[in-house]
Amino acid sequence: AQSVSQHNHHVILSEAASLELGCNYSYGGTVNLFWYVQYPGQHLQLLLKYFSGDPLVKGIKGFEAEFIKSKFSFNLRKPSVQWSDTAEYFCAVRGATNKLIFGTGTLLAVQP
Amino acid sequence: GAGVSQTPSNKVTEKGKYVELRCDPISGHTALYWYRQSLGQGPEFLIYFQGTGAADDSGLPNDRFFAVRPEGSVSTLKIQRTERGDSAVYLCASSAKRGQAETQYFGPGTRLLVL
Repeated sequence: AQSVSQHNHHVILSEAASLELGCNYSYGGTVNLFWYVQYPGQHLQLLLKYFSGDPLVKGIKGFEAEFIKSKFSFNLRKPSVQWSDTAEYFCAVRGATNKLIFGTGTLLAVQP
Repeated sequence: GAGVSQTPSNKVTEKGKYVELRCDPISGHTALYWYRQSLGQGPEFLIYFQGTGAADDSGLPNDRFFAVRPEGSVSTLKIQRTERGDSAVYLCASSAKRGQAETQYFGPGTRLLVL
């Protein structure tokens, strides 16, 4: 069965610090990978996605993620976080079926 | 343009009651999904429609849960004999294209509380 693991449940950073959120998945076939973000009081929004091609994908608001197939990973990065990046971040994978399998989420708090 | 909308935004009910949750997908989107998100967890898949038919209902937890999409647009998730464990945020998502290039867009959710 497919599963997604997000290692960090709660991350606290100061503004301008660099961010890396871990995401590992278990599935042996071709995958599509996603990061969604949920800002306080708002609904889930797509941050970035990987379907094929260049394993380094860039999303909105300066976020990027790298697909490393050999490590079954899709870590999210941002070189310099802002207070407005405070949110919950979810990694998700889609394998052979259309449904998304989500991780448990990482709550990021950025201190001004 | 308009995104996915869900009504009601909040629903409080008593154990044993019947509830209906509604989802209006993005216009023209043929695929519609229901997920459930419990506190401290990521969304969990319930059911997927392609057009009017349920293409995958493997995530429905038991036969108290049922969903319909009679005209291929609006969908209703129905929960019979609600239990306290059904309390969660129920999310709807829609997408325009199935297969490898599909991206799901989520609505704001319905927060269900069963007392």
